Amino acid sequence: DAGVTQSPTHLIKTRGQQVTLRCSPKSGHDTVSWYQQALGQGPQFIFQYYEEEERQRGNFPDRFSGHQFPNYSSELNVNALLLGDSALYLCASSLPGQGSGELFFGEGSRLTVL
Amino acid sequence: GQSLEQPSEVTAVEGAIVQINCTYQTSGFYGLSWYQQHDGGAPTFLSYNALDGLEETGRFSSFLSRSDSYGYLLLQELQMKDSASYFCAVEGISGTALIFGKGTTLSVSS
Repeated sequence: DAGVTQSPTHLIKTRGQQVTLRCSPKSGHDTVSWYQQALGQGPQFIFQYYEEEERQRGNFPDRFSGHQFPNYSSELNVNALLLGDSALYLCASSLPGQGSGELFFGEGSRLTVL
Repeated sequence: GQSLEQPSEVTAVEGAIVQINCTYQTSGFYGLSWYQQHDGGAPTFLSYNALDGLEETGRFSSFLSRSDSYGYLLLQELQMKDSASYFCAVEGISGTALIFGKGTTLSVSS
């Protein structure tokens, strides 16, 4: 049973460029959440997708956008990259509904913006 | 909004017991979760409290008191492999998105 997979694992971009990160959820999971984790900080919630719609969004600018496909996989796009966007981007999958508090995380995509 | 406070660092020796506290401010939530993250790795789920009281899972236990806006993670019989960052997180009432604290770095020495 494959867990959450993310690609690429590492990437380097320059300021102003755009990046796309990809995520395949754990088998049987239909909800995908994206988090940004700066060095030494906790994961910060970017947004969550369910049934191909953005269901909830954290406090991130519109430069951060996403998509969920019919097979539940998801993409995170960041436009006009800033130095401050350098971070580990984590994808997490879960089953819909509340009450378990359990997310399954991928290993993340480490983005460096120069 | 929601905010969670944790100590930034905790140190302990092998075999000891350590408690990591989490205080929160939120208008409402379904439950409090705890996650472990080793350097450069994925956060992994440890425990969840939907109700007040103690939940025990092997060497790890977690506690929640909604009236005190407080929870803690208790790690017993510490091992070197327990050296990691630990995060508390609340599951908001508006959805299943978890909001995380800044984390506590636990260092276990021999």
